[in-house]
Amino acid sequence: GDSVTQMEGPVTLSEEAFLTINCTYTATGYPSLFWYVQYPGEGLQLLLKATKADDKGSNKGFEATYRKETTSFHLEKGSVQVSDSAVYFCALLNTGNQFYFGTGTSLTVIP
Amino acid sequence: ETGVTQTPRHLVMGMTNKKSLKCEQHLGHNAMYWYKQSAKKPLELMFVYNFKEQTENNSVPSRFSPECPNSSHLFLHLHTLQPEDSALYLCASSLGGGQGETQYFGPGTRLLVL
Repeated sequence: GDSVTQMEGPVTLSEEAFLTINCTYTATGYPSLFWYVQYPGEGLQLLLKATKADDKGSNKGFEATYRKETTSFHLEKGSVQVSDSAVYFCALLNTGNQFYFGTGTSLTVIP
Repeated sequence: ETGVTQTPRHLVMGMTNKKSLKCEQHLGHNAMYWYKQSAKKPLELMFVYNFKEQTENNSVPSRFSPECPNSSHLFLHLHTLQPEDSALYLCASSLGGGQGETQYFGPGTRLLVL
Protein backbone atom coordinates (compact mmCIF):
# COMPACT_ATOMS: atom_id res chain seq x y z
CA GLY A 1 0.00 0.00 0.00
CA ASP A 2 0.91 3.65 -0.14
CA SER A 3 3.11 5.01 2.62
CA VAL A 4 5.45 7.80 3.69
CA THR A 5 8.74 7.33 5.50
CA GLN A 6 10.52 10.25 7.08
CA MET A 7 13.67 10.47 9.10
CA GLU A 8 13.45 9.76 12.78
CA GLY A 9 13.94 12.59 15.18
CA PRO A 10 14.45 14.39 17.27
CA VAL A 11 16.67 16.81 15.39
CA THR A 12 18.49 19.53 17.32
CA LEU A 13 20.22 22.35 15.48
CA SER A 14 21.82 25.64 16.35
CA GLU A 15 20.27 28.81 15.01
CA GLU A 16 21.30 29.58 11.40
CA ALA A 17 22.23 25.96 10.71
CA PHE A 18 21.16 24.17 7.54
CA LEU A 19 18.19 21.84 7.86
CA THR A 20 17.34 18.71 5.90
CA ILE A 21 14.53 16.36 6.84
CA ASN A 22 14.34 13.36 4.56
CA CYS A 23 11.07 12.00 3.24
CA THR A 24 10.49 9.15 0.81
CA TYR A 25 7.21 7.74 -0.36
CA THR A 26 5.64 4.68 -1.90
CA ALA A 27 2.63 5.19 -4.12
CA THR A 28 1.20 4.10 -7.43
CA GLY A 29 0.57 6.76 -9.99
CA TYR A 30 1.35 10.39 -9.35
CA PRO A 31 0.54 11.51 -5.81
CA SER A 32 0.66 15.06 -4.53
CA LEU A 33 3.20 15.65 -1.78
CA PHE A 34 2.99 17.90 1.25
CA TRP A 35 4.91 19.10 4.25
CA TYR A 36 2.87 20.05 7.30
CA VAL A 37 4.20 21.68 10.48
CA GLN A 38 2.79 21.34 13.98
CA TYR A 39 3.80 23.94 16.54
CA PRO A 40 3.45 23.06 20.23
CA GLY A 41 -0.18 22.86 21.32
CA GLU A 42 -1.53 23.40 17.82
CA GLY A 43 -2.89 21.39 14.92
CA LEU A 44 -1.10 20.74 11.66
CA GLN A 45 -0.57 23.63 9.26
CA LEU A 46 0.30 23.28 5.61
CA LEU A 47 3.88 24.40 5.04
CA LEU A 48 4.29 23.65 1.34
CA LYS A 49 3.19 21.26 -1.37
CA ALA A 50 4.01 19.98 -4.84
CA THR A 51 1.57 18.31 -7.16
CA LYS A 52 3.77 16.92 -9.93
CA ALA A 53 7.27 15.67 -10.57
CA ASP A 54 10.06 18.27 -10.47
CA ASP A 55 7.77 20.85 -8.84
CA LYS A 56 9.38 22.76 -5.99
CA GLY A 57 7.22 23.85 -3.09
CA SER A 58 8.46 26.73 -0.97
CA ASN A 59 7.27 28.81 1.96
CA LYS A 60 8.89 30.76 4.82
CA GLY A 61 12.35 29.83 3.58
CA PHE A 62 11.57 26.11 3.45
CA GLU A 63 11.80 24.22 0.17
CA ALA A 64 11.12 20.70 -1.07
CA THR A 65 11.38 19.28 -4.59
CA TYR A 66 9.22 16.44 -5.86
CA ARG A 67 11.69 13.83 -7.16
CA LYS A 68 9.90 11.00 -8.87
CA GLU A 69 13.08 9.15 -9.80
CA THR A 70 14.07 8.82 -6.15
CA THR A 71 10.49 8.96 -4.77
CA SER A 72 11.58 11.68 -2.39
CA PHE A 73 10.40 15.05 -1.10
CA HIS A 74 13.11 16.20 1.29
CA LEU A 75 12.52 19.37 3.29
CA GLU A 76 15.33 21.95 3.42
CA LYS A 77 15.97 25.34 4.92
CA GLY A 78 19.19 27.24 4.61
CA SER A 79 19.17 28.97 8.00
CA VAL A 80 16.83 27.84 10.75
CA GLN A 81 15.48 30.04 13.52
CA VAL A 82 14.34 29.27 17.04
CA SER A 83 10.77 29.89 15.87
CA ASP A 84 11.09 26.93 13.47
CA SER A 85 11.06 24.51 16.41
CA ALA A 86 8.12 22.24 15.73
CA VAL A 87 7.18 18.79 14.46
CA TYR A 88 7.28 18.37 10.67
CA PHE A 89 5.12 15.85 8.83
CA CYS A 90 5.57 14.64 5.30
CA ALA A 91 2.37 13.49 3.59
CA LEU A 92 1.07 12.24 0.28
CA LEU A 93 -2.33 12.44 -1.35
CA ASN A 94 -2.78 9.56 -3.73
CA THR A 95 -4.88 9.31 -6.84
CA GLY A 96 -7.65 7.74 -4.75
CA ASN A 97 -7.78 11.00 -2.76
CA GLN A 98 -6.40 9.38 0.40
CA PHE A 99 -3.87 11.11 2.63
CA TYR A 100 -0.94 9.25 4.17
CA PHE A 101 1.25 10.92 6.77
CA GLY A 102 4.70 10.12 8.07
CA THR A 103 5.42 9.75 11.77
CA GLY A 104 6.68 13.30 12.12
CA THR A 105 10.15 14.68 12.85
CA SER A 106 10.64 16.88 15.87
CA LEU A 107 12.98 19.84 15.33
CA THR A 108 14.45 21.92 18.14
CA VAL A 109 16.51 24.99 17.27
CA ILE A 110 18.68 26.35 20.03
CA PRO A 111 19.98 29.94 20.15
CA GLU B 1 -5.86 30.34 12.77
CA THR B 2 -6.74 27.87 10.03
CA GLY B 3 -10.52 28.33 10.00
CA VAL B 4 -11.12 25.00 11.73
CA THR B 5 -12.00 25.02 15.41
CA GLN B 6 -12.27 22.14 17.84
CA THR B 7 -13.78 21.89 21.29
CA PRO B 8 -12.91 20.99 23.90
CA ARG B 9 -9.16 21.41 23.64
CA HIS B 10 -8.55 19.01 26.52
CA LEU B 11 -10.71 16.20 27.85
CA VAL B 12 -10.24 13.71 30.64
CA MET B 13 -12.79 10.91 30.89
CA GLY B 14 -13.30 7.61 32.60
CA MET B 15 -13.90 4.42 30.68
CA THR B 16 -17.63 4.46 31.44
CA ASN B 17 -18.22 8.08 30.40
CA LYS B 18 -19.86 9.37 27.26
CA LYS B 19 -18.52 12.53 25.70
CA SER B 20 -18.47 14.25 22.32
CA LEU B 21 -15.81 16.13 20.42
CA LYS B 22 -16.90 18.97 18.18
CA CYS B 23 -15.32 20.37 15.05
CA GLU B 24 -16.47 23.38 13.06
CA GLN B 25 -15.02 24.79 9.86
CA HIS B 26 -15.58 28.28 8.49
CA LEU B 27 -13.97 27.72 5.10
CA GLY B 28 -16.94 26.65 3.01
CA HIS B 29 -15.45 23.19 2.58
CA ASN B 30 -17.43 20.07 1.82
CA ALA B 31 -15.17 17.34 3.18
CA MET B 32 -14.30 16.78 6.84
CA TYR B 33 -12.03 14.27 8.53
CA TRP B 34 -11.20 12.82 11.92
CA TYR B 35 -7.61 11.75 12.62
CA LYS B 36 -6.01 10.17 15.67
CA GLN B 37 -2.48 11.27 16.52
CA SER B 38 -0.54 9.05 18.89
CA ALA B 39 3.08 9.48 19.90
CA LYS B 40 5.61 8.12 17.41
CA LYS B 41 2.94 6.86 15.01
CA PRO B 42 1.70 8.27 11.72
CA LEU B 43 -1.56 10.11 11.79
CA GLU B 44 -4.37 7.60 11.57
CA LEU B 45 -7.32 8.55 9.42
CA MET B 46 -10.50 7.52 11.21
CA PHE B 47 -13.46 8.90 9.27
CA VAL B 48 -14.13 10.92 6.14
CA TYR B 49 -17.29 12.80 5.28
CA ASN B 50 -17.90 14.27 1.85
CA PHE B 51 -20.98 16.42 1.41
CA LYS B 52 -22.26 15.06 4.76
CA GLU B 53 -21.99 11.45 3.60
CA GLN B 54 -19.51 9.14 5.29
CA THR B 55 -17.16 7.89 2.61
CA GLU B 56 -14.55 6.20 4.72
CA ASN B 57 -14.34 4.35 8.00
CA ASN B 58 -10.89 2.93 8.57
CA SER B 59 -11.87 -0.04 10.74
CA VAL B 60 -12.47 2.21 13.71
CA PRO B 61 -13.97 0.52 16.81
CA SER B 62 -17.65 1.19 17.36
CA ARG B 63 -16.92 3.02 20.61
CA PHE B 64 -16.14 5.95 18.28
CA SER B 65 -19.24 7.23 16.49
CA PRO B 66 -19.04 10.15 14.05
CA GLU B 67 -21.84 12.50 13.13
CA CYS B 68 -21.91 15.12 10.39
CA PRO B 69 -25.17 17.10 10.51
CA ASN B 70 -24.00 19.57 7.85
CA SER B 71 -20.87 20.42 5.87
CA SER B 72 -19.61 22.81 8.56
CA HIS B 73 -19.89 20.61 11.63
CA LEU B 74 -18.45 17.26 12.57
CA PHE B 75 -18.78 15.42 15.85
CA LEU B 76 -17.05 12.41 17.33
CA HIS B 77 -19.14 10.69 19.99
CA LEU B 78 -17.15 8.67 22.50
CA HIS B 79 -18.37 5.93 24.83
CA THR B 80 -16.74 3.18 26.88
CA LEU B 81 -13.28 4.15 25.70
CA GLN B 82 -10.08 2.37 26.66
CA PRO B 83 -6.86 3.90 28.01
CA GLU B 84 -5.14 3.19 24.69
CA ASP B 85 -7.59 5.61 23.06
CA SER B 86 -5.76 8.46 24.78
CA ALA B 87 -4.37 10.63 21.99
CA LEU B 88 -4.72 13.91 20.17
CA TYR B 89 -7.80 13.88 17.94
CA LEU B 90 -7.50 16.16 14.96
CA CYS B 91 -10.25 17.39 12.71
CA ALA B 92 -9.53 18.57 9.19
CA SER B 93 -11.48 19.89 6.24
CA SER B 94 -10.92 20.26 2.51
CA LEU B 95 -12.82 21.46 -0.51
CA GLY B 96 -14.04 17.98 -1.33
CA GLY B 97 -12.62 15.69 -3.98
CA GLY B 98 -9.96 16.57 -6.49
CA GLN B 99 -6.26 16.08 -6.92
CA GLY B 100 -3.77 18.06 -4.93
CA GLU B 101 -6.30 19.13 -2.39
CA THR B 102 -5.02 20.65 0.84
CA GLN B 103 -6.43 19.68 4.20
CA TYR B 104 -6.79 22.33 6.89
CA PHE B 105 -6.46 21.13 10.46
CA GLY B 106 -7.94 22.25 13.71
CA PRO B 107 -5.83 22.51 16.88
CA GLY B 108 -6.98 19.11 18.15
CA THR B 109 -8.55 17.75 21.29
CA ARG B 110 -6.11 16.17 23.73
CA LEU B 111 -7.97 13.18 25.19
CA LEU B 112 -6.93 11.25 28.26
CA VAL B 113 -8.87 8.11 29.18
CA LEU B 114 -8.42 6.95 32.74
